Amino acid sequence: GESVGLHLPTLSVQEGDNSIINCAYSNSASDYFIWYKQESGKGPQFIIDIRSNMDKRQGQRVTVLLNKTVKHLSLQIAATQPGDSAVYFCAENIGSYIPTFGRGTSLIVHP
Amino acid sequence: GAGVSQTPSNKVTEKGKYVELRCDPISGHTALYWYRQSLGQGPEFLIYFQGTGAADDSGLPNDRFFAVRPEGSVSTLKIQRTERGDSAVYLCASSFNARVGDTQYFGPGTRLTVL
Repeated sequence: GESVGLHLPTLSVQEGDNSIINCAYSNSASDYFIWYKQESGKGPQFIIDIRSNMDKRQGQRVTVLLNKTVKHLSLQIAATQPGDSAVYFCAENIGSYIPTFGRGTSLIVHP
Repeated sequence: GAGVSQTPSNKVTEKGKYVELRCDPISGHTALYWYRQSLGQGPEFLIYFQGTGAADDSGLPNDRFFAVRPEGSVSTLKIQRTERGDSAVYLCASSFNARVGDTQYFGPGTRLTVL
């Protein structure tokens, strides 16, 4: 079922720390996953993606881990900066190009 | 180059009125998507265009919602007889093609408020 609520899960970190944002997905048929960053007043911005035949992918300061056994996705941000403060969404594609977005996690980075 | 643009950035209307929301995709992108985002939620798919045709409109909530893309570039989302529950941020995205792995680039959205 769908979860509805105004209060996003929130992760607060200190500048320079590493951040880990988690996401659970429900459909074992999902074959492509994307992390988006959304700053206030802006649209989602692509960060990194991973296909279901991989379990890890690295970008610049970001790493995505995929655990298909427990249907879990995580985004790791190294040396978090104040500019990383935003809402982060994971999205899954289930055999199509239309992503299904999760609820999002608010990341707050304290200087 | 320019990203996806959407106009207006904010739209306030009264219940029962008709509204049009415009999206200018990135030049050369054949695929265009409309999403709706309610407060505290992720974007929810509405409709997708490949070129001029609506390839998938399964996300449109009812027949009050309609979208066009007559020349395969600019798209307009049209909402008739607006209801308070239509209040949300309407996001547009475009991608070069509509394949898994083609990055979707989002516009800033239009915040629609129905009084």
